[in-house]
Amino acid sequence: DVKVTQSSRYLVKRTGEKVFLECVQDMDHENMFWYRQDPGLGLRLIYFSYDVKMKEKGDIPEGYSVSREKKERFSLILESASTNQTSMYLCASSFQGRADTQYFGPGTRLTVL
Amino acid sequence: LAKTTQPISMDSYEGQEVNITCSHNNIATNDYITWYQQFPSQGPRFIIQGYKTKVTNEVASLFIPADRKSSTLSLPRVSLSDTAVYYCLVGDYGGATNKLIFGTGTLLAVQP
Repeated sequence: DVKVTQSSRYLVKRTGEKVFLECVQDMDHENMFWYRQDPGLGLRLIYFSYDVKMKEKGDIPEGYSVSREKKERFSLILESASTNQTSMYLCASSFQGRADTQYFGPGTRLTVL
Repeated sequence: LAKTTQPISMDSYEGQEVNITCSHNNIATNDYITWYQQFPSQGPRFIIQGYKTKVTNEVASLFIPADRKSSTLSLPRVSLSDTAVYYCLVGDYGGATNKLIFGTGTLLAVQP
C-alpha cells in the first residue's frame, strides 16, 4: 500500500516564524509535489521535484522554498510565515512520467497567527 | 493545459446513480482525462482515468464521447460515504506536462 505521510496534521505558528513541513513517501517515487488548498480556490501547486535536489516552481511559489535531499523526503519551508499562508498543505508523490496518478498525504492544516 | 469546467455542486440520494460531467473544449490529442475524489480532511485520491470511449473500474465508470470535449464520471448506486469533492483533470502526463492542475471540483452531497 502506497503511503505518503506528513509530519503534522495541525500546526499553529506565529507571524515571522520559520516553518518546516515534511513529507515522506515509501514507494520510491521520483516525483513529489506540494500543494495548498483554500476554500473556493481548489488545489494550487506550490513546488514540485522530479529528482533529488531538483525542483521546479509551481503556480504559487512566492513565500515558499523546498528541499529534497533524499528521494523519499520533500520539505516545504516558509521562511517567514505570514497570515495569508494559513491553509491546508498537501503533499503528493508519483512515478516519473505519471504525474496523472498522484498519491496524496493526509494534509497539514497550518494556522499562522 | 486544457481548462476544465464542472458543476460546483450536486445533490443526490442513496441508491441513485450520479453522473458528473466535465467540459474540456481545448483538450489536446495527447491529453488523458483523470478524476480524483477528495473526502473532508483528506488528500485527493485517484479514482479513474481514460482517453476515449468508456472505462470502468470497481469504483466508477468514465464515459468519453468521440470528440473528447467532455467526459462524464458515473457513480453507480451512491451511498452516504460517496459524499466528497470530485475533480476532473486533463493533461499529457507522460510527456511535457509534469504536474496536475486542479480546478475547484464538484461537491457531491448524498442524502439518506
